[in-house]
Amino acid sequence: KQEVTQIPAALSVPEGENLVLNCSFTDSAIYNLQWFRQDPGKGLTSLLLIQSSQREQTSGRLNASLDKSSGRSTLYIAASQPGDSATYLCAGLRGGFKTIFGAGTRLFVKA
Amino acid sequence: DGGITQSPKYLFRKEGQNVTLSCEQNLNHDAMYWYRQDPGQGLRLIYYSQIVNDFQKGDIAEGYSVSREKKESFPLTVTSAQKNPTAFYLCASSRGAFGNEKLFFGSGTQLSVL
Repeated sequence: KQEVTQIPAALSVPEGENLVLNCSFTDSAIYNLQWFRQDPGKGLTSLLLIQSSQREQTSGRLNASLDKSSGRSTLYIAASQPGDSATYLCAGLRGGFKTIFGAGTRLFVKA
Repeated sequence: DGGITQSPKYLFRKEGQNVTLSCEQNLNHDAMYWYRQDPGQGLRLIYYSQIVNDFQKGDIAEGYSVSREKKESFPLTVTSAQKNPTAFYLCASSRGAFGNEKLFFGSGTQLSVL
């Protein structure tokens, strides 16, 4: 069974700290990788998409990297803020419409 | 604004009742999907549709049905055969050429059993 694992499952940090969220996958057929943010009771908001030919993507304080050879992706959040508190999910996009999702990392940033 | 609209936000089902969740998109995407989200678990695929009048079962299709009569619309019916329907349901879409394109999500429907 192909899986996506996110570590840690939960994380609490003080405001201003830089942090890294990890996503590992066993499926070598993953073509692209997408990071999402989910607030309680809400849908998924796309943060970054890393395509197969890329190694990283940046948007504001967020930077995501992808290493397909090791089956790992990381999401780096710089200078965290209380508004960053949410669940972060990674998703491995494969051909054939069969995306696989991690269970998420629940982040709490303390003011 | 382009996006995906799901309705209702909350839905309650009685025993033996079928209920239908609505999903509409104005992104002109070919592919649409239904996912189920349970607490502490990753999203699981129920059904997906690559084009109008065609759809395929996902990993957990039993007890669910869909239709794709229009490009913009992909309603999900939770039938009485689904014995554990309480979950958060998410609709998504993508351009859909190869099945690995960027996913866009709606705001979700929380379904509960009375």
